[in-house]
Amino acid sequence: GAVVSQHPSRVICKSGTSVKIECRSLDFQATTMFWYRQFPKQSLMLMATSNEGSKATYEQGVEKDKFLINHASLTLSTLTVTSAHPEDSSFYICSARGTGLAGYNEQFFGPGTRLTVL
Amino acid sequence: GENVEQHPSTLSVQEGDSAVIKCTYSDSASNYFPWYKQELGKRPQLIIDIRSNVGEKKDQRIAVTLNKTAKHFSLHITETQPEDSAVYFCAARVNAGNMLTFGGGTRLMVKP
Repeated sequence: GAVVSQHPSRVICKSGTSVKIECRSLDFQATTMFWYRQFPKQSLMLMATSNEGSKATYEQGVEKDKFLINHASLTLSTLTVTSAHPEDSSFYICSARGTGLAGYNEQFFGPGTRLTVL
Repeated sequence: GENVEQHPSTLSVQEGDSAVIKCTYSDSASNYFPWYKQELGKRPQLIIDIRSNVGEKKDQRIAVTLNKTAKHFSLHITETQPEDSAVYFCAARVNAGNMLTFGGGTRLMVKP
């Protein structure tokens, strides 16, 4: 199946700093990437959807100036948490969907990034 | 928008028994329904999916049924094993261009 990588897997930062998370599709072209946030023992909450070369579409309640998403190429999307605060601590997961895959409907998930803001 | 409800939130079964997880959705235009298994701290993994033109799909010990009229779909796991213990999420999507809406998840525990 298609592979999606995410980096870093864990990050600990001080309050007020910015953190960048990368999501890469390794063996297919990801025309659409999704960013999710997951709190402990809760479901995946969609934060935003990004199409390559376009501005991301944010879900209601997600601050676009705080969670900057860039999808500059068909294999890379980045999520930057700006001026992070302890309440931003969470598990962030990206997923990708693309062309040239037998399972076009399927979303392939990255391994996630656990962000801890002190 | 789409709303997906999932029940139960936790399910404990004895090894070898069957487990059933049920989901309902609100948007009758939804036509794709995947199920994901997520182990602690790991990514969700697609285990089975069904499209609206099919009523049932089976893959070894897992099966999914879909009732479009009632707008609900279910995951069935037979002969459960301890390694089936995980959180399971159902999801629904209106069409290929839209995002998945996830249910709240079911924590399945299979006791040996």
